Amino acid sequence: SQQGEEDPQALSIQEGENATMNCSYKTSINNLQWYRQNSGRGLVHLILIRSNEREKHSGRLRVTLDTSKKSSSLLITASRAADTASYFCATDGRSNYQLIWGAGTKLIIKP
Amino acid sequence: GAGVSQTPSNKVTEKGKYVELRCDPISGHTALYWYRQSLGQGPEFLIYFQGTGAADDSGLPNDRFFAVRPEGSVSTLKIQRTERGDSAVYLCASSQGLAGLTDTQYFGPGTRLTVL
Repeated sequence: SQQGEEDPQALSIQEGENATMNCSYKTSINNLQWYRQNSGRGLVHLILIRSNEREKHSGRLRVTLDTSKKSSSLLITASRAADTASYFCATDGRSNYQLIWGAGTKLIIKP
Repeated sequence: GAGVSQTPSNKVTEKGKYVELRCDPISGHTALYWYRQSLGQGPEFLIYFQGTGAADDSGLPNDRFFAVRPEGSVSTLKIQRTERGDSAVYLCASSQGLAGLTDTQYFGPGTRLTVL
């Protein structure tokens, strides 16, 4: 079963613009992670945010978490062609090792 | 060091056949995970190993699926009597296995299984 739902399902923007993707989940969590997947490199871990954190930054990435709304957002600033990929959120399920994933947002950066 | 590797990268088989998919985790990682990903979906948890033992196999869809990790490193996912619905990308991940915390899982490139 899938816990998270990413929104939008697909997003196409111009290079240099910012991209925002959202994730909603159903049950309480200890943490939420964002991953990127493209055909060249498979699934790559981007960032983990714990349930007691509200915002986290890593380079051009900014993640927010609102546990009251059971939602998270991933912002990619100054997008580049290499950011073209699918982005997934994953939450811990019944345990801290079992990740439960959404269906992903497909991001296309147009040159 | 080297990342997680999986072999083969692609496997085409006929319905009813037996297949084995191999995963080489990152050296020193005690935790190993198998996931299955269908087109347009996120990965679906199958099984988790801590060392040599399967700590949680609740995600295996049925008894045709089995996985082993005899020496606590390489793992093999085995599928008997394959069905067309088994077609998917099978992903392996490993992590340090930190107790009590969610540690980062590092994924391999996956094996694309096609059952004809």
